[in-house]
Amino acid sequence: DARVTQTPRHKVTEMGQEVTMRCQPILGHNTVFWYRQTMMQGLELLAYFRNRAPLDDSGMPKDRFSAEMPDATLATLKIQPSEPRDSAVYFCASGSSGLAGGKGDTQYFGPGTRLTVL
Amino acid sequence: QKEVEQNSGPLSVPEGAIASLNCTYSDRGSQSFFWYRQYSGKSPELIMFIYSNGDKEDGRFTAQLNKASQYVSLLIRDSQPSDSATYLCAPAGNNRKLIWGLGTSLAVNP
Repeated sequence: DARVTQTPRHKVTEMGQEVTMRCQPILGHNTVFWYRQTMMQGLELLAYFRNRAPLDDSGMPKDRFSAEMPDATLATLKIQPSEPRDSAVYFCASGSSGLAGGKGDTQYFGPGTRLTVL
Repeated sequence: QKEVEQNSGPLSVPEGAIASLNCTYSDRGSQSFFWYRQYSGKSPELIMFIYSNGDKEDGRFTAQLNKASQYVSLLIRDSQPSDSATYLCAPAGNNRKLIWGLGTSLAVNP
């Protein structure tokens, strides 16, 4: 059963600390998306990778956030330093852009990382 | 104008009724339209997508698309309490990105 995995599932940290979230996309998928979800803003796209190359990080606060894909099986999202306003659920999703039409647009979500910054 | 608009709800329907969820979008270039379901505290999961004008049925779910009116809807027949969730509408934008609505909360009452 192919699934996107994310670690950690929950993270509580203090303001100013570094936070690293990890995502393993579904094997064979070539697109990875990082989202942040809050009650007020809904799903916000933070970063988007295709074939490990960053295509869009316009939604990401550049001064404190960074996203990388060191290899095809791992994507990371880092926050340094973290702030209370970063408290949210962070989702990773993956897809296969080579498929035609709607199948190529489909995104499969991981379980999320619930981040609380005190 | 928001790119994707959904009534936030909550939409309340009795068990066994038809639930109708609506979505309008602004990008006329969108080709694929997605409906995801999100239970409280869980991640979004794909229900179905629609590509062509008209209706697409999958079990108790029917998606309807009208590109001329920039309108997509989801009908849930024989609604069950387990259908109580938030339903997210997401047209596909450029480069395989999805443009997300804020979702409609559905409550199915036994």
